[in-house]
Amino acid sequence: AQSVAQPEDQVNVAEGNPLTVKCTYSVSGNPYLFWYVQYPNRGLQFLLKYITGDNLVKGSYGFEAEFNKSQTSFHLKKPSALVSDSALYFCAVYSSASKIIFGSGTRLSIRP
Amino acid sequence: NAGVTQTPKFRVLKTGQSMTLLCAQDMNHEYMYWYRQDPGMGLRLIHYSVGEGTTAKGEVPDGYNVSRLKKQNFLLGLESAAPSQTSVYFCASSYPVRGRETEAFFGQGTRLTVV
Repeated sequence: AQSVAQPEDQVNVAEGNPLTVKCTYSVSGNPYLFWYVQYPNRGLQFLLKYITGDNLVKGSYGFEAEFNKSQTSFHLKKPSALVSDSALYFCAVYSSASKIIFGSGTRLSIRP
Repeated sequence: NAGVTQTPKFRVLKTGQSMTLLCAQDMNHEYMYWYRQDPGMGLRLIHYSVGEGTTAKGEVPDGYNVSRLKKQNFLLGLESAAPSQTSVYFCASSYPVRGRETEAFFGQGTRLTVV
């Protein structure tokens, strides 16, 4: 079965420090991977995706993600965190059955 | 450009009542999805559709029905609401490009409380 795991419920980072939000996946075939962000009382917004090509994918708001096939991971990163980055982040994978499957989410908290 | 619009935004139902949630998208997307979001559970797929007139079950379909009579609309029905269906419901749409899936666009959500 295809699945996505986000092992951390919450990540706390000081403003200006680098941040990483972890995601691992299990799919058959080539994975299509996504990161989304959700601000309070809002729908999800697309951040970035990996379909093929370079393992380092750049997205919105200065975020990037590194695809690692051997470790089946797709971690979200940012070199310097902002307080405004505080939100709920979801990793997702597109399955071969035309479904998008989401992880359980990681709450990112950036302290000033 | 409205994107994905969900109606209503809030609703309180009594146990046993029925209701329909409407999702409309103006992007001509083929695929549409209904998710529910519960604390600590992330987003769970209820039903989805890969085109007009087609629907399929997702991870948690019980107690829900859907219809996709028009390409732009995807309706989610609760025939007899239960307190366990208290949740925030999100609709999303997406489209394949040369057979590859692209990102999904989400509505603002419907907060449903069943008492």
